[in-house]
Amino acid sequence: QVQLQQWGAGLLKPSETLSLTCAVYGGSLSGYYWTWIRQAPGKGLEWIGEINQSGGTNYNASLKSRVTMSVDMSKSQFSLRLSSVTAADTAVYYCARVVSVLLYFGEDNWFDPWGQGTLVTVSS
Amino acid sequence: DIQMTQSPSSLSASVGDRVTITCRASQSISNYLNWYQQKPGKAPNLLIYAASSLQSGVPSRFSGRGSGTDFTLTISSLQPEDFATYYCQQSYITPPTFGRGTKLEFK
Repeated sequence: QVQLQQWGAGLLKPSETLSLTCAVYGGSLSGYYWTWIRQAPGKGLEWIGEINQSGGTNYNASLKSRVTMSVDMSKSQFSLRLSSVTAADTAVYYCARVVSVLLYFGEDNWFDPWGQGTLVTVSS
Repeated sequence: DIQMTQSPSSLSASVGDRVTITCRASQSISNYLNWYQQKPGKAPNLLIYAASSLQSGVPSRFSGRGSGTDFTLTISSLQPEDFATYYCQQSYITPPTFGRGTKLEFK
């Protein structure tokens, strides 16, 4: 059973770069996209972007200018960097696997499983 | 981006109750609709994918229906462990977007 474990700095100052890593256990990075999603305090879930084993990426247009994702196949890990953070970037950040399946109506995808989440606080 | 609107935002119910949560998309998304359950301090957990397919390991008291713009998640008989927040999510177009959540609380 695939499990994701994530880590990274939890307290940042404005203008610094957020850096998080997610390790995949019990499975391979190959054949899937891997995603980052965040949840600001008291708010909903926001998709940040995704990356596949070849380094192919898709980013949310709202964050694209500040986001970089990378993958390390040798370590079964993928990472998120978000530059120039502000208080608005304070959130719990989750990594997750994107499961894609061809169904009768087309190719569908969903997020499963998820990492445990990392609270990142941006404060001066 | 596609806006996902859930109602109600909160719901009080008792063990054994049948409850239904609604999710509406701002445009047609066919069957590209997923439901997640989130408990305090935990990551969301997939319940339903493709509008009505039950994820492996999820109890059969959970069910999903709908297509196009209107979807429902029903819990047929609430159990104590079901009190949580529920989110819908569209996977029709990028970026995938989520509803604001429905918090299910003890009455």
